[in-house]
Amino acid sequence: DAGVIQSPRHEVTEMGQEVTLRCKPISGHNSLFWYRQTMMRGLELLIYFNNNVPIDDSGMPEDRFSAKMPNASFSTLKIQPSEPRDSAVYFCASTSTGDEQFFGPGTRLTVL
Amino acid sequence: KQEVTQIPAALSVPEGENLVLNCSFTDSAIYNLQWFRQDPGKGLTSLLLIQSSQREQTSGRLNASLDKSSGRSTLYIAASQPGDSATYLCAVIRGSTLGRLYFGRGTQLTVWP
Repeated sequence: DAGVIQSPRHEVTEMGQEVTLRCKPISGHNSLFWYRQTMMRGLELLIYFNNNVPIDDSGMPEDRFSAKMPNASFSTLKIQPSEPRDSAVYFCASTSTGDEQFFGPGTRLTVL
Repeated sequence: KQEVTQIPAALSVPEGENLVLNCSFTDSAIYNLQWFRQDPGKGLTSLLLIQSSQREQTSGRLNASLDKSSGRSTLYIAASQPGDSATYLCAVIRGSTLGRLYFGRGTQLTVWP
């Protein structure tokens, strides 16, 4: 298995632009998570899905953030409009509920 | 709310030493606990998963223990090597929020030759 796949690996954009991050979970996993990592706040859970349904989105910072999981093999995290304070590394992870979580390589986002 | 604390925040040791990294959590009603390794600029690599019914797990030179009643876990690294240099993160899943990981801030380990 290729593991959790994220794209792009790096994204540099200007303030106000829309950013879309993508994730393909490990085949067979039924839970998917989006995390954000910064020096100031460490790793924070943004949202997670179970069987493609959002379960907990309390970590989504603002209405500018939205996430979708249209099927079991794909999820997106969208930021519109982006701001410099959104600069961080965004990780996607997947698991079979309650078991070991596997992380993707992350997307390093820089908003200028 | 589950709070996870890792001590020390940073550790620098010479090669060959045996190490103990500590993790504590405030809510003992956990489902499982997972230790990760993160290299600079990289993602998280799972090292060990301990189910709430288990006391410890071993993988190679790594041994993780879990004491739910006291809210503590330790990661023991035997005969440390420079390649072990990384940040080690502890995370727990609460029994009532299956799937959601609560992370500590990590211990940054440097092993020098």
